[in-house]
Amino acid sequence: EAQVTQNPRYLITVTGKKLTVTCSQNMNHEYMSWYRQDPGLGLRQIYYSMNVEVTDKGDVPEGYKVSRKEKRNFPLILESPSPNQTSLYFCASNLRGSYNEQFFGPGTRLTVL
Amino acid sequence: AQSVTQLGSHVSVSEGALVLLRCNYSSSVPPYLFWYVQYPNQGLQLLLKYTSAATLVKGINGFEAEFKKSETSFHLTKPSAHMSDAAEYFCAVIGTGGFKTIFGAGTRLFVKA
Repeated sequence: EAQVTQNPRYLITVTGKKLTVTCSQNMNHEYMSWYRQDPGLGLRQIYYSMNVEVTDKGDVPEGYKVSRKEKRNFPLILESPSPNQTSLYFCASNLRGSYNEQFFGPGTRLTVL
Repeated sequence: AQSVTQLGSHVSVSEGALVLLRCNYSSSVPPYLFWYVQYPNQGLQLLLKYTSAATLVKGINGFEAEFKKSETSFHLTKPSAHMSDAAEYFCAVIGTGGFKTIFGAGTRLFVKA
């Protein structure tokens, strides 16, 4: 089944404790993105990647890191999480070409205490 | 810079009534426009997309949207609402450079029996 998977789905952590949210897609997509969803703000792009070893900042990259060492994986790293990073996070992937639809993972709900 | 405005954070309709969700965009170039739907506790999935082939775009589940350049609008409609349409709907436009997707704040649709 073609899909984007994220782990964990739910995470409660404390301020300053490094964490990684994994994202994997099995559709051989070139593009991958991370978004955060907050009430009233819709989805805001954190980082995106056009291919292996090619990443760029989205609209809200502060406090986040990403890497793209393999085509299928695009982990999101919070080196020192803070409470304002409490949010719902989505990973998405799509084929090369801006007119192609994005396929979204099921989301990761992160709470930083 | 591209942007998207969705008018109305909440819309409530009766089952069988017309659904109209409004989206206005700002773009300096011919846009690629999308509508995504998010059911509770799920990721987003594509409803339909406009890529300049036709101004009236038909999507899944009986939804359609009309691109009106003169009004910079891409409103989503469905002639007869069903209970299963209750969800959050996001309008999106491809940003400058073609790598970024910019989402509206979302409209939550409620369907009353």
